[in-house]
Amino acid sequence: KNQVEQSPQSLIILEGKNCTLQCNYTVSPFSNLRWYKQDTGRGPVSLTIMTFSENTKSNGRYTATLDADTKQSSLHITASQLSDSASYICVVRTANSGYALNFGKGTSLLVTP
Amino acid sequence: DTGVSQDPRHKITKRGQNVTFRCDPISEHNRLYWYRQTLGQGPEFLTYFQNEAQLEKSRLLSDRFSAERPKGSFSTLEIQRTEQGDSAMYLCASSSGQDTTYEQYFGPGTRLTVT
Repeated sequence: KNQVEQSPQSLIILEGKNCTLQCNYTVSPFSNLRWYKQDTGRGPVSLTIMTFSENTKSNGRYTATLDADTKQSSLHITASQLSDSASYICVVRTANSGYALNFGKGTSLLVTP
Repeated sequence: DTGVSQDPRHKITKRGQNVTFRCDPISEHNRLYWYRQTLGQGPEFLTYFQNEAQLEKSRLLSDRFSAERPKGSFSTLEIQRTEQGDSAMYLCASSSGQDTTYEQYFGPGTRLTVT
């Protein structure tokens, strides 16, 4: 069973609208959580990274939240643009491994004109 | 461009053939990772190098797969006797040993299609 679950699986929104993507994880012990954006046919690009003590982090129109108690994170996209169309992947790193990352399956976002 | 590069970007091969992919990490990064990603899924870990030492291999890495990083710089991933199930995007990532967050920087990937 995947230790990082994302929802929804896919999402279609109109350009200019906001949206929120969800990530729930069971990975333990927790070290940090990242959100990546992956354009079709490209490698993932990091958007935000949050440690246990951080609740919110922004990167332009992207705002990530983390509730380490409930093991939930969200990625909020404001004023969506066509270029936001991509897969958004939630990745959780455990505290006792230098390399092991736990990837979610991603949410596929399509922004339409 | 000083990011992670991968070559080739696309590879089409017939079942049973061998293929080799190359990854050039960010120059000062001593850690290098290979992942496989199939359609609609997140990347799956294959193997990890710290300098030239291969420290971890996933069970996904069957005996048909071999990875090397001979001088601790670029790495190659070879798949022997390819099968249709090997069709996927192969991603390489690198990270710095000085970065306590272990941030991994991904390359653009090599898309393999086995016919």
